[in-house]
Amino acid sequence: GQQLNQSPQSMFIQEGEDVSMNCTSSSIFNTWLWYKQDPGEGPVLLIALYKAGELTSNGRLTAQFGITRKDSFLNISASIPSDVGIYFCAGFQGAQKLVFGQGTRLTINP
Amino acid sequence: GAGVSQSPRYKVAKRGQDVALRCDPISGHVSLFWYQQALGQGPEFLTYFQNEAQLDKSGLPSDRFFAERPEGSVSTLKIQRTQQEDSAVYLCASSPRTSVKVWGNEQFFGPGTRLTVL
Repeated sequence: GQQLNQSPQSMFIQEGEDVSMNCTSSSIFNTWLWYKQDPGEGPVLLIALYKAGELTSNGRLTAQFGITRKDSFLNISASIPSDVGIYFCAGFQGAQKLVFGQGTRLTINP
Repeated sequence: GAGVSQSPRYKVAKRGQDVALRCDPISGHVSLFWYQQALGQGPEFLTYFQNEAQLDKSGLPSDRFFAERPEGSVSTLKIQRTQQEDSAVYLCASSPRTSVKVWGNEQFFGPGTRLTVL
């Protein structure tokens, strides 16, 4: 079963608004990843975080690796229609095995 | 550019049938992964190969699931005697190296095969 809990499960926002979503775990993860999945496609990596406290940006996306190593958040600024999709957090369990959250579905009203 | 490809994209099987799902990873990628994604959920790890060696199969739900990568490139996930609970999207991913510390070594996912068992 899933070990990462994402919230909210879904978001409905207006174009141009900022978005914030987060991910928590009962276990420590040494790497946090954020993926986006479009319908009919596989997940695509957006941001990777490797150190507790790390804050990383990728364009309009910003993510932080929590100090306790049990949480992370993802912010999207000035949302645009192509941001629609499902966002997943993920962490490595062991060297290669990825564990995913259940996803946050983002819908944008133009 | 050539990404990870999977075939078929859609598969409908009657309960009890055997199915085989194919994954063509990015050329030269050492690691290959299979995930199962149920409707409305995140992907769940099934198994992992490094070249032709299956190093972790802890996520395979039962002995009806079998994966192979005999020449270290193309992989096949086989499900025997399919059940309705096997209905899901099966995702394949590959990565170039075995280290998790280098950006660019991330797992690149294919589009998945949607399996429906009637």
